[in-house]
Amino acid sequence: GENVEQHPSTLSVQEGDSAVIKCTYSDSASNYFPWYKQELGKGPQLIIDIRSNVGEKKDQRIAVTLNKTAKHFSLHITETQPEDSAVYFCAASISSNTGKLIFGQGTTLQVKP
Amino acid sequence: DAMVIQNPRYQVTQFGKPVTLSCSQTLNHNVMYWYQQKSSQAPKLLFHYYDKDFNNEADTPDNFQSRRPNTSFCFLDIRSPGLGDAAMYLCATNGLASNEQFFGPGTRLTVL
Repeated sequence: GENVEQHPSTLSVQEGDSAVIKCTYSDSASNYFPWYKQELGKGPQLIIDIRSNVGEKKDQRIAVTLNKTAKHFSLHITETQPEDSAVYFCAASISSNTGKLIFGQGTTLQVKP
Repeated sequence: DAMVIQNPRYQVTQFGKPVTLSCSQTLNHNVMYWYQQKSSQAPKLLFHYYDKDFNNEADTPDNFQSRRPNTSFCFLDIRSPGLGDAAMYLCATNGLASNEQFFGPGTRLTVL
């Protein structure tokens, strides 16, 4: 079955710097890759996603890149702010009648003021 | 504008005392999921419904059951909670057209 590895497990950056979180997946049939931000005591919030027919997608300070050949995808946050501090999860899915997500292990991002 | 609603947000139960968590959605999505999330871990899928079709994950304990009486509501029943069942329980929905999965705020379950 699908397996998603996420690195690093923790990341600390200075406010204004960039943060990059990387994920790899094992099943070449996966074609949908969302990223979730989870703040303490809250449910995961979808912040950006990418599909396998696209190599890069950007939304303001957040971008995601996908390398299908290498089975890698990454989250890039530029100009980080303290409110970006949270746990970030990547996931992979095969579009089907279930939409089942396979999550990475999570990255705790701390942005220091 | 809440789209996936979970009640209660915090639930305390006693060891072995049945408990029910509820989830409702205003998105009219076909698929609803229940996840268990423990501290510092990714959400773990327990089961999901595609309309009324129930799909159990292979490693979900029998202690966990679910009901979906209609499109909008889904319930998680824990028949005999143990200390190890203390966790955040997350409900999510998916309309499948875009494959986007939306989560509720979660219910934090404490077992005394």
